[in-house]
Amino acid sequence: EVQVVESGGGLGQPGGSLRLSCAASGFTFSTYAMSWVRQAPGKGLEWVSTIGAGGGDTFYADSVKGRFTVSRDNSDNTLYLQMDSLRAEDTAIYYCAKGLGSLFPLSRVVDYWGQGTLVTVSS
Amino acid sequence: IQLTQSPSSLSASVKDRVTITCRASQGISSYLAWYQQKPGKAPKLLIYAASTLQTGVPSRFSGSGSGADFTLTISSLQPEDFATYYCQQLNSFPLTFGGGTKVEIK
Repeated sequence: EVQVVESGGGLGQPGGSLRLSCAASGFTFSTYAMSWVRQAPGKGLEWVSTIGAGGGDTFYADSVKGRFTVSRDNSDNTLYLQMDSLRAEDTAIYYCAKGLGSLFPLSRVVDYWGQGTLVTVSS
Repeated sequence: IQLTQSPSSLSASVKDRVTITCRASQGISSYLAWYQQKPGKAPKLLIYAASTLQTGVPSRFSGSGSGADFTLTISSLQPEDFATYYCQQLNSFPLTFGGGTKVEIK
């Protein structure tokens, strides 16, 4: 059974940092692109970042570029999101998301989502 | 690429036919997916490549369109279909979602 489980959310200070993790199981992690998608309270979905299967290709939303860094450890089946220079508008549920396939365009479609981890940025 | 969904909300009855539209600010071929989200839950993939039904999704859901105009149709609305629906373009980064369409009970 495919599972992706996020952790690391919580309260962050404006200008501070948080690191999210996503533990994956039930599939060959190293062959799928992975993404982060967030949802602010009461709002719609916002794509945050995607990383290719090998980790060499990374993509970011303009709203987080230069502040967030996505990475993965294929030996440990874990996806990460390092969040620096946090802002109040980063407050959201962050979902870890598995790509449907290995290659474009299926790699950009999300077929499995985690339960989400809440990040709150406030002083 | 901006995605505009319409309507933003609708009220419908069980067994109604429901159509949601998604318009892209530029052509995206067939690189579009649809998701369903219920309150407090993660989204669920319904359709990808504009018209391909994800495994396990009921056949009352269908998608169509290419270029810049797309539709999601629910042929006979069921009680479990009351939710918010989002389109997502896969054509180019940054990936984007539409604003969502909330389907409510009439």
